[in-house]
Amino acid sequence: DAGITQSPRHKVTETGTPVTLRCHQTENHRYMYWYRQDPGHGLRLIHYSYGVKDTDKGEVSDGYSVSRSKTEDFLLTLESATSSQTSVYFCAISTSGNFGWNEQFFGPGTRLTVL
Amino acid sequence: DAKTTQPPSMDCAEGRAANLPCNHSTISGNEYVYWYRQIHSQGPQYIIHGLKNNETNEMASLIITEDRKSSTLILPHATLRDTAVYYCIVSGNQGGKLIFGQGTELSVKP
Repeated sequence: DAGITQSPRHKVTETGTPVTLRCHQTENHRYMYWYRQDPGHGLRLIHYSYGVKDTDKGEVSDGYSVSRSKTEDFLLTLESATSSQTSVYFCAISTSGNFGWNEQFFGPGTRLTVL
Repeated sequence: DAKTTQPPSMDCAEGRAANLPCNHSTISGNEYVYWYRQIHSQGPQYIIHGLKNNETNEMASLIITEDRKSSTLILPHATLRDTAVYYCIVSGNQGGKLIFGQGTELSVKP
């Protein structure tokens, strides 16, 4: 939906290895977001971006970094993966951001397992 | 740290209206009320949003009380495919951030 793809869709990795998740959009929206979802916690915002090279932290940003060098791509990096980062990661885009209403569209998710 | 309160679960009979309540007593004047739902394993899906007035679209209706401290999402004729977790969120001009709480798990039964 809304031209959002995430890659990879599934990944298993080992503790201590770097991992990069990619979110790609085709509709040139300014705002993009990374969330994680764990049982009992709902969705929690990790980082978000309000433009190329403009990013900010969410509520659970420790251990994660992001980059946005192009409008269409928002990368989430785990510099040294830990088992606590095993989760489902969702990317989202917003059609309007912080000007008034904010309707977000979500990607299909990436299931990451850190052993 | 969600600013909304929802019942953890509800049941609804297929074909009946599903009325999902949400309390947001600390809502600010510039904050919107949003509803999303998440069907098992999928990404959340936007349903509807409102500021002061009641809203209706092809999926649902949103009724906001006059003091804006609570709202109700109405699915007029629930189907089995409406079984999902429904999230009520309030958000204003804060970089577009949405804070998801635990939501209401709606089970539509035949």
